[in-house]
Amino acid sequence: GQQVMQIPQYQHVQEGEDFTTYCNSSTTLSNIQWYKQRPGGHPVFLIQLVKSGEVKKQKRLTFQFGEAKKNSSLHITATQTTDVGTYFCAGEGGETSGSRLTFGEGTQLTVNP
Amino acid sequence: NAGVMQNPRHLVRRRGQEARLRCSPMKGHSHVYWYRQLPEEGLKFMVYLQKENIIDESGMPKERFSAEFPKEGPSILRIQQVVRGDSAAYFCASSPLAGGPREQYFGPGTRLTVT
Repeated sequence: GQQVMQIPQYQHVQEGEDFTTYCNSSTTLSNIQWYKQRPGGHPVFLIQLVKSGEVKKQKRLTFQFGEAKKNSSLHITATQTTDVGTYFCAGEGGETSGSRLTFGEGTQLTVNP
Repeated sequence: NAGVMQNPRHLVRRRGQEARLRCSPMKGHSHVYWYRQLPEEGLKFMVYLQKENIIDESGMPKERFSAEFPKEGPSILRIQQVVRGDSAAYFCASSPLAGGPREQYFGPGTRLTVT
């Protein structure tokens, strides 16, 4: 079955440092989505990437989808304490979109002020 | 527009009892997904339903677990004869009917504790 791996599992940074999390799928994806979960909260949708090589930005967050549509990354520039949480990638596989999402294990980010 | 609703938010059951978790999707959404999350772990897909249909239950344990999404009313995840290993957060998510890639909107979750 489809597997989605995410690294690192944990990342501790000082406020102002950059942060990157990487996501790799065992199979080609139709699209990839990113979610953020604050401690004690629920996952919140951040963004969706569909096209090969796609890059999207949301303020200090930059999302990339690999050319082969098997990997993705999320980069945060100049982290802030409000960025604390766990970031999950989730891949939708195969030719048919609308099927189940497979979530990575997440990267837990802590930011020291 | 109310978001995805889940109740109860916290549920305590003794071993052997039944747990019934409810999920009302966002207005206009007809696709519901259930996930389980253990502490410090990721989200594990359980089941994907549309109204009156189970589309994909490949992540659901074969025994004791069942899910439904009736024509009227919320989606229900039922766990019979709960065991301590069932203790987890159970999240429901919904997505709209429109075709193409669809983001999922998550509810606040139900934290199940089995004593």
